[in-house]
Amino acid sequence: RKEVEQDPGPFNVPEGATVAFNCTYSNSASQSFFWYRQDCRKEPKLLMSVYSSGNEDGRFTAQLNRASQYISLLIRDSKLSDSATYLCVVNPTDNTDKLIFGTGTRLQVFP
Amino acid sequence: GAVVSQHPSWVICKSGTSVKIECRSLDFQATTMFWYRQFPKQSLMLMATSNEGSKATYEQGVEKDKFLINHASLTLSTLTVTSAHPEDSSFYICSARGTGTGNTIYFGEGSWLTVV
Repeated sequence: RKEVEQDPGPFNVPEGATVAFNCTYSNSASQSFFWYRQDCRKEPKLLMSVYSSGNEDGRFTAQLNRASQYISLLIRDSKLSDSATYLCVVNPTDNTDKLIFGTGTRLQVFP
Repeated sequence: GAVVSQHPSWVICKSGTSVKIECRSLDFQATTMFWYRQFPKQSLMLMATSNEGSKATYEQGVEKDKFLINHASLTLSTLTVTSAHPEDSSFYICSARGTGTGNTIYFGEGSWLTVV
């Protein structure tokens, strides 16, 4: 089983749509969780951290369910510029900056 | 904000030659740097953890004699792909966190390696 699993997509949605991505992780002791965005042929960039209580940043909402080892990202009012690959990322321990990446979910927003 | 720079961005080399990729932290001291590899349509895979002044820690399955990592200063880590083969063609990317960056990990822009 992969350490971090995501649906690869692609998700093709119209502008203004709401889209949700899911991610599961295998290590129950994992400490930190993130969503990164990666544009084609570019480095990943931090979109947001994911906190146990859930957190929101503008149109983006992230949630964590430790019991189910499940992370989600919700994007509201999708923009064309949201088209990218969204990476679910997990830090499996508390004493290292090692990050485990999911394969990513590709989002394509069309006019 | 903090910046991590990689060089070169693109490199094409002949099979059997060696290629060096540099990763620099431009405005902070990076005590630890990480090297990842990403094949097309796959996730970033951690290759090794590079600690300043000590030997790198390699992930399982990564050949340390083939992928030489040197972290000689607090602002520079290098990855050398020795005796490169076409199957080493990939996107190599580094990340770093250090003094003054808080909990943020910064990624370099990545280096595309094509071995012909």
